[in-house]
Amino acid sequence: QLHLQESGPGLVKPSETLSLTCTVSGGSISSSTFYGGWIRQPPGKGLEWIGSIYYSGSTYYKPSLKSRVTISVDRSKNQFSLKLSSVTAADTAVYYCARHVGLYSPFDYWGQGTLVTVSS
Amino acid sequence: DIQMTQSPSTLSASVGDRVTITCRASQSISSWLAWYQQKPGKAPKVLIYKTSSLESGVPSRFSGSGSGTEFTLTISSLQPDDFATYYCQQYNDYWTFGQGTKVEIK
Repeated sequence: QLHLQESGPGLVKPSETLSLTCTVSGGSISSSTFYGGWIRQPPGKGLEWIGSIYYSGSTYYKPSLKSRVTISVDRSKNQFSLKLSSVTAADTAVYYCARHVGLYSPFDYWGQGTLVTVSS
Repeated sequence: DIQMTQSPSTLSASVGDRVTITCRASQSISSWLAWYQQKPGKAPKVLIYKTSSLESGVPSRFSGSGSGTEFTLTISSLQPDDFATYYCQQYNDYWTFGQGTKVEIK
């Protein structure tokens, strides 16, 4: 059973960079069917896909966030990470990592989510 | 970007009711549509993928249909555990979620 767990600071100052890591257990991230995605949900609102990464390092970003997002993978640690730069209060959200098995695939395994608040 | 619009935003229903949620895409997404259930404080859980395929372990009272730009999620007989928020998601062109439909107790 695949397990994903988000980790990182719960509080980030405006204009700084939000950094989160997703650690995968119960399976290898170095699989030809592993894509890791980041999704966020502002308090009381809906879900927004941020971006995804293939195990090989190919990345896919939401166009409106592309200029601020970097997703990377560390296969040796079975982790993938999110960096979101120049954050504002609008970036306050629960951030989820999730797995999908292809470009035409929903997200089938999710982490529990971590709340990141942007505030000075 | 492909936009996904769900209706209604909120639905009040009773245990045993048949419930239908609609999702419309701003352009054709073929059959690349999934439905998720989310309960407060929890991550979403995929119920249906590729429009009508039931995820393993999901009760058969959940079903999906549609193609192109219009899709539906039906719960044939609402159970107490089904009160939650439901999201559709297209994955024809990256991934986009609908705004959600909250199913609440009538």
